[in-house]
Amino acid sequence: AQKVTQAQTEISVVEKEDVTLDCVYETRDTTYYLFWYKQPPSGELVFLIRRNSFDEQNEISGRYSWNFQKSTSSFNFTITASQVVDSAVYFCALVYSSASKIIFGSGTRLSIRP
Amino acid sequence: NAGVTQTPKFQVLKTGQSMTLQCAQDMNHEYMSWYRQDPGMGLRLIHYSVGAGITDQGEVPNGYNVSRSTTEDFPLRLLSAAPSQTSVYFCASSYDHGLGKLFFGSGTQLSVL
Repeated sequence: AQKVTQAQTEISVVEKEDVTLDCVYETRDTTYYLFWYKQPPSGELVFLIRRNSFDEQNEISGRYSWNFQKSTSSFNFTITASQVVDSAVYFCALVYSSASKIIFGSGTRLSIRP
Repeated sequence: NAGVTQTPKFQVLKTGQSMTLQCAQDMNHEYMSWYRQDPGMGLRLIHYSVGAGITDQGEVPNGYNVSRSTTEDFPLRLLSAAPSQTSVYFCASSYDHGLGKLFFGSGTQLSVL
């Protein structure tokens, strides 16, 4: 089965705390792509990162970092020194190359309190 | 630099009515797709297209039709609206046969009474 699980439905932290959003995926394909998208309160969907299955290097972009571990089928997202503007719903997603279908997780609603 | 244009932004229908959600992109992307977003369920793929004249079903295709006569346009048709189709709908396009990042439209809030 092809599946993406975001077990954390809602997270609330105080500003400046670090927070990690978990993403666990299932796929039988050896070639696949993982994504994170952000949906702020305004409702639009914003691309954050794409990672292919052959690249397990972690990535850092400013306060954002991603940890990809094939051994545990996880692609976790960490925000360092969180800010109120980080409040949003975050979606993890999987595309497997044998079919052009994207599967989204159910999302994690992140609230950053001032 | 319009990107993905989705209309209308809001729509209220009565059960049994039909309507078409419009989606157009100006990035020459071959891949286009439609999603519905329901609380607690993330985004679910309804239909997608990998090029003009080619469409395929996603995870939740029942009650919806699509066609792709041009690269730019990918309309979604509700043939006979049902309350279960009340949702937020997003259109998206992508490069690389859907393996690239998705560019989303601004969404349509649809209510079926």
